[in-house]
Amino acid sequence: AQTVTQSQPEMSVQEAETVTLSCTYDTSESDYYLFWYKQPPSRQMILVIRQEAYKQQNATENRFSVNFQKAAKSFSLKISDSQLGDAAMYFCAYRSGAQGAQKLVFGQGTRLTINP
Amino acid sequence: NAGVTQTPKFRILKIGQSMTLQCTQDMNHNYMYWYRQDPGMGLKLIYYSVGAGITDKGEVPNGYNVSRSTTEDFPLRLELAAPSQTSVYFCASGSNRVWAEAFFGQGTRLTVV
Repeated sequence: AQTVTQSQPEMSVQEAETVTLSCTYDTSESDYYLFWYKQPPSRQMILVIRQEAYKQQNATENRFSVNFQKAAKSFSLKISDSQLGDAAMYFCAYRSGAQGAQKLVFGQGTRLTINP
Repeated sequence: NAGVTQTPKFRILKIGQSMTLQCTQDMNHNYMYWYRQDPGMGLKLIYYSVGAGITDKGEVPNGYNVSRSTTEDFPLRLELAAPSQTSVYFCASGSNRVWAEAFFGQGTRLTVV
């Protein structure tokens, strides 16, 4: 079974600085996608960024980028120029590419605090 | 756009009671998921469905049942509620495209007393 582990329950960063959130996963599959979701206090789940396992190039979305290390099964999220609105729970997620079995599995989450 | 709609938003149950959490999506997604989120914790997959008539267990299925008679609806049934089932429940849906994001409902806060 696929598992996702986020080893940092809480992180904090000064506004305008850079922070990296860690995520590791375990799978025997070769076809999958990885995602980072943000959950603000409203409980809404918001997609931040996604990465295809077959792509070596790391995904980037504005101030958000990932460091995808497939051999190490690591998928960290870097937030540059942190803003107060980035404060939220961040979840790493894995989705299998196997047809008919595309479970979406989440990690435990990291609570990110932005200090003004 | 309605997206994924969950009802109710809040519910208090007594130990041993049963209830059904409703989930409907209007995006014609094949995949639907039920998660529970305990306070300060991540989302744990309860059940998921790959299409009408097909369901499968997730990480924490005990104490729950699901059915998927239509593409749109994926209700979650709690039988004999226990305090350990106090949680926030999220329903989500997604397309067959692996890269596509999942869309979530607003959640149901359930308290079992």
